[in-house]
Amino acid sequence: GENVEQHPSTLSVQEGDSAVIKCTYSDSASNYFPWYKQELGKGPQLIIDIRSNVGEKKDQRIAVTLNKTAKHFSLHITETQPEDSAVYFCAAPRSNDYKLSFGAGTTVTVRA
Amino acid sequence: KAGVTQTPRYLIKTRGQQVTLSCSPISGHRSVSWYQQTPGQGLQFLFEYFSETQRNKGNFPGRFSGRQFSNSRSEMNVSTLELGDSALYLCASRLRTDEQYFGPGTRLTVT
Repeated sequence: GENVEQHPSTLSVQEGDSAVIKCTYSDSASNYFPWYKQELGKGPQLIIDIRSNVGEKKDQRIAVTLNKTAKHFSLHITETQPEDSAVYFCAAPRSNDYKLSFGAGTTVTVRA
Repeated sequence: KAGVTQTPRYLIKTRGQQVTLSCSPISGHRSVSWYQQTPGQGLQFLFEYFSETQRNKGNFPGRFSGRQFSNSRSEMNVSTLELGDSALYLCASRLRTDEQYFGPGTRLTVT
């Protein structure tokens, strides 16, 4: 938590290809890492999360991986579709009070 | 189960005025957090309330305040509005210590 860096800031992929977004965090005691998807005119939607006791979690076409040693986690979207176009945010909490710190966001555009 | 609701969805105010935004959390959620979202600064934490008590506060001036009622509904108030307060204000609720769910936001425009 506290400092969360997210890369890239923009990502353009061809429909059907994969998209990968990476985040790093600074608080080594952080133990919960959510990913949010925000579509135009809407609030962020929790799409997947991972806790520190696992290294990977999948939900259909999306997956998240966590490397606690390196303090980074990634979102993977496979077989991208036009409806995957949105802004994606990663987040990590401070260990003492669970306040979420968010990455700056990645604008994903899926080209048809 | 209904999601987080926020009212109003859109608001236009003039500099110097004050505004009150409302948030109703998911039923059973006792924690409500408020965020300001702008293109330049991203998602910035304003404050969090739990059981009517402010538990956390971000780095915003005292013009930004909030409160929570016994039914967990929350309001935030911004006094003496400035042009820079134009933003999407998001409310989020959570049940436990982690999973946080956002509402659709209130788009505030200050002219």
